[in-house]
Amino acid sequence: SQTIHQWPATLVQPVGSPLSLECTVEGTSNPNLYWYRQAAGRGLQLLFYSVGIGQISSEVPQNLSASRPQDRQFILSSKKLLLSDSGFYLCAWSAWGLAGGETQYFGPGTRLLVL
Amino acid sequence: AQSVSQHNHHVILSEAASLELGCNYSYGGTVNLFWYVQYPGQHLQLLLKYFSGDPLVKGIKGFEAEFIKSKFSFNLRKPSVQWSDTAEYFCAVNARDTGTASKLTFGTGTRLQVTL
Repeated sequence: SQTIHQWPATLVQPVGSPLSLECTVEGTSNPNLYWYRQAAGRGLQLLFYSVGIGQISSEVPQNLSASRPQDRQFILSSKKLLLSDSGFYLCAWSAWGLAGGETQYFGPGTRLLVL
Repeated sequence: AQSVSQHNHHVILSEAASLELGCNYSYGGTVNLFWYVQYPGQHLQLLLKYFSGDPLVKGIKGFEAEFIKSKFSFNLRKPSVQWSDTAEYFCAVNARDTGTASKLTFGTGTRLQVTL
């Protein structure tokens, strides 16, 4: 069965410091991968998605970047964190089902607090 | 671009009460629809989904949702809630013509609190 891991689970970082959040998926190959952010009191906002190694699409202009160095690894980065980068970051992978639609499955998330 | 509205931000129900959470979306094309649930301290989990066919879909734990295309709605229902249904519920939509990736647009979520 497929599993998705994210780490770290919680992170407290000072403003201006770099960031690297990692997401890995097991039990599937060539998944589509996604990064979302959930700010307090708001829904999930899609940040980046990837349909293959080295292929990254950005949904919102911001202080963050993403990379996919391996098929089942997705990394979210920043060179200099801002206070507004605080939030709950979720990684997801997707699979196509028999009904023809694509379903996303989410990881446990990383809670980031920038001080 | 599509958007999703969940009008109930916080719902408090007694056990055995019936539940209906509203979800409306705006998009002119064909969509796939989802409800996800996040129990306290747990991952975001898929409750149910609609791609095509019967507009009344059944999910896990006794939940169901009905897609009403004319109303752009996908409301979640459960006839009798349990204390263990206390969680945050998210409606999500993706346009079916987005190419190779499924880009979900989420509502802001509804926090359900079930009291004993």
